[in-house]
Amino acid sequence: QKEVEQDPGPLSVPEGAIVSLNCTYSNSAFQYFMWYRQYSRKGPELLMYTYSSGNKEDGRFTAQVDKSSKYISLFIRDSQPSDSATYLCAMSREYGNKLVFGAGTILRVKS
Amino acid sequence: SQTIHQWPATLVQPVGSPLSLECTVEGTSNPNLYWYRQAAGRGLQLLFYSVGIGQISSEVPQNLSASRPQDRQFILSSKKLLLSDSGFYLCAWSVTGSGNTIYFGEGSWLTVV
Repeated sequence: QKEVEQDPGPLSVPEGAIVSLNCTYSNSAFQYFMWYRQYSRKGPELLMYTYSSGNKEDGRFTAQVDKSSKYISLFIRDSQPSDSATYLCAMSREYGNKLVFGAGTILRVKS
Repeated sequence: SQTIHQWPATLVQPVGSPLSLECTVEGTSNPNLYWYRQAAGRGLQLLFYSVGIGQISSEVPQNLSASRPQDRQFILSSKKLLLSDSGFYLCAWSVTGSGNTIYFGEGSWLTVV
């Protein structure tokens, strides 16, 4: 079993839809959670960062962490064609520890 | 602000040829540096990381090596490439105290033929 599981998609939605991207993990020691966005043939860029459980909102993006269920989510409101990309979740244990990445979910937003 | 440069962006190399990918970071001192490889559907695989000049940790046994000759320079090398070395290689950096977040370069596409 992989430490971090992420549905590879592709997930195809119409413009304006609410998108939900998810990751599950098996290691209860993970405390730091991140979402990266990667456009085709580009390096990933940090989108959201969350420590421990709870929600964090930044514009159209909301990151949610449920440590009791070992489940994290990224919500995108009013999705745009420019949101079409691969979204990678990442997480780590103690401070300074290396990140473990999910395989990434391909998102396509149709205009 | 900090920036990371990685080159070359794309290269096609024959089997058995050497490889050198270079990465430099600007705007910060003593960064942690990383080399990742990304294969389709398999996410990011950490190859090497470095916490200082000359300090390299290897995560996966392979046909590659890394060096850090200067504080903000990280080099990925191979003496003889294999077909299986093809992929997307990403350099990344972080700073202790940044909350475990790392920042990636634009990547290098390597095709071994």
